[in-house]
Amino acid sequence: SQTIHQWPATLVQPVGSPLSLECTVEGTSNPNLYWYRQAAGRGLQLLFYSVGIGQISSEVPQNLSASRPQDRQFILSSKKLLLSDSGFYLCAWSQGQGTSPLHFGNGTRLTVT
Amino acid sequence: QKEVEQNSGPLSVPEGAIASLNCTYSDRGSQSFFWYRQYSGKSPELIMSIYSNGDKEDGRFTAQLNKASQYVSLLIRDSQPSDSATYLCAVMGVYNNNDMRFGAGTRLTVKP
Repeated sequence: SQTIHQWPATLVQPVGSPLSLECTVEGTSNPNLYWYRQAAGRGLQLLFYSVGIGQISSEVPQNLSASRPQDRQFILSSKKLLLSDSGFYLCAWSQGQGTSPLHFGNGTRLTVT
Repeated sequence: QKEVEQNSGPLSVPEGAIASLNCTYSDRGSQSFFWYRQYSGKSPELIMSIYSNGDKEDGRFTAQLNKASQYVSLLIRDSQPSDSATYLCAVMGVYNNNDMRFGAGTRLTVKP
């Protein structure tokens, strides 16, 4: 069966510090991978998605970037965090057939101080 | 115009009642529709998927889709306090079939 791992679970970072969140999927190949952010009490905002190694689609212009160095690895990064980057970051995968649902990791709660 | 719209609630129903959650979407070309449940502080979990017009039942849950009206709904029968959560409507293919967009969610409270 497929599993998705996302870490760390919680993170407190000062403004201006770098960020690296990692997500890996097991039990499937060539998945679509996604990064979403959820601000407190709000819906899910799509940040990036990837349909293959090195292929990244960015949905929202901001100080975040994403990379997919391996088939089942998706990384979210920032060089300098802003206060507004605080939120609940969710990685998800799908089979990528257009009709397949997304399956989410447990999320990372980021607080920028 | 928002891509996926839901009433934010909160929606409160007594235990044993039917909870009705609604969602509209803007892209007439969307083909795949999903309902997720999210408990406070947790990640969303898939409840139902629906692809064709009409009703789809799974236990106490029924999803309804009307593509002509661009409308999706979720009915929860015999609501339980454990159903208290935020319910997210998701639509695939708003811009392409790899792109899933979520509504802001409806917060449901089931009172014992």
